[in-house]
Amino acid sequence: RKEVEQDPGPFNVPEGATVAFNCTYSNSASQSFFWYRQDCRKEPKLLMSVYSSGNEDGRFTAQLNRASQYISLLIRDSKLSDSATYLCVVPPYGGATNKLIFGTGTLLAVQP
Amino acid sequence: GAVVSQHPSRVICKSGTSVKIECRSLDFQATTMFWYRQFPKQSLMLMATSNEGSKATYEQGVEKDKFLINHASLTLSTLTVTSAHPEDSSFYICSATDRGPYTEAFFGQGTRLTVV
Repeated sequence: RKEVEQDPGPFNVPEGATVAFNCTYSNSASQSFFWYRQDCRKEPKLLMSVYSSGNEDGRFTAQLNRASQYISLLIRDSKLSDSATYLCVVPPYGGATNKLIFGTGTLLAVQP
Repeated sequence: GAVVSQHPSRVICKSGTSVKIECRSLDFQATTMFWYRQFPKQSLMLMATSNEGSKATYEQGVEKDKFLINHASLTLSTLTVTSAHPEDSSFYICSATDRGPYTEAFFGQGTRLTVV
């Protein structure tokens, strides 16, 4: 099993739709999780951090399911500007010296 | 938030030459920096972990003699692509983590390398 797995998509959704991505991880000891957004030819930008059961920020909700070892990202009322690749990042438990493991990314295309 | 500056943002070089990419943490000390490579339509692949004052740790399949990493201070790491070839053309991104119980990565803006 890969350390981090994501559905690569693409997810093609109309404006205003609700879309959800899942990310599974293999290391049950992982304690913190991140969703990054990456626009084409740009650096990834942190979207949300998840340390406990979940996190919500406006139209974005991240949820953690430790029993099944996955995190999800839900986007409500999709905007055209939400079109990007969404990267799941699962650092191993520990301090600042640990490397980050990226999922393959999920491509979202919001269409008018 | 923490800022990581990467330079240059874009470089074109001739095959056989070497290219140096700098990654600086501007407002925090980064004992560890990471170097990634991203080919078109693929995800970021970790190349190496750069630790201040010590040798970098390379991921499997990454040639350490070709991708030289130097992390001489707590705010600067450099990646040198030696004897670059067209297949080295890619998007190179660095990230840095600050201290604390939870790891959060701060990314540089990336360097688009084209070898002609």
